[in-house]
Amino acid sequence: EPEVTQTPSHQVTQMGQEVILRCVPISNHLYFYWYRQILGQKVEFLVSFYNNEISEKSEIFDDQFSVERPDGSNFTLKIRSTKLEDSAMYFCASDIPGGSEQFFGPGTRLTVL
Amino acid sequence: QKEVEQDPGPLSVPEGAIVSLNCTYSNSAFQYFMWYRQYSRKGPELLMYTYSSGNKEDGRFTAQVDKSSKYISLFIRDSQPSDSATYLCAMSALISNFGNEKLTFGTGTRLTIIP
Repeated sequence: EPEVTQTPSHQVTQMGQEVILRCVPISNHLYFYWYRQILGQKVEFLVSFYNNEISEKSEIFDDQFSVERPDGSNFTLKIRSTKLEDSAMYFCASDIPGGSEQFFGPGTRLTVL
Repeated sequence: QKEVEQDPGPLSVPEGAIVSLNCTYSNSAFQYFMWYRQYSRKGPELLMYTYSSGNKEDGRFTAQVDKSSKYISLFIRDSQPSDSATYLCAMSALISNFGNEKLTFGTGTRLTIIP
């Protein structure tokens, strides 16, 4: 069964460093999303991406964040200068047009020291 | 008022019991209603989704939506220890003319089925 994959599973970084989280969505999906979940809190929407551009972003998704689809299979989330409060699980999700069923990857645990 | 409210639990029931999980919402723009299951430190796994008021059944799981009351429920019959997980309700609204949607999640209810 096709699935969303994410790498790395765990990323440890120093405050102020740049990190890139990678996702491979399901191959025939066209909508891509990033969500995050701070430990013990709810899953929160960050950004959605379609047709090579951002279609919606939350207030969390400030200028330190960016997304990119560098090729036909990968979808990345970059945090330019990490802060302690960026520590969280980051989930990638994908969906087909009209599908209304977002499929989530296993997540990347980001720890900022 | 929060857009989506969910009783965080925890909820512990004996094996074989019927479990009822509930969420309320305030945003009338929500069109699709989903239940996800999440195991510790894993990604949410889609269990069921529905878009209309009424019931939808899938095996031991029944999703119920009441749009007039802005209330959704998930029922688990004949609960099993393997059902122990955190259950997240999620609701979606269109965010662009392209048809993509943003999910708003509840806080999750942690469920333990006791053998």
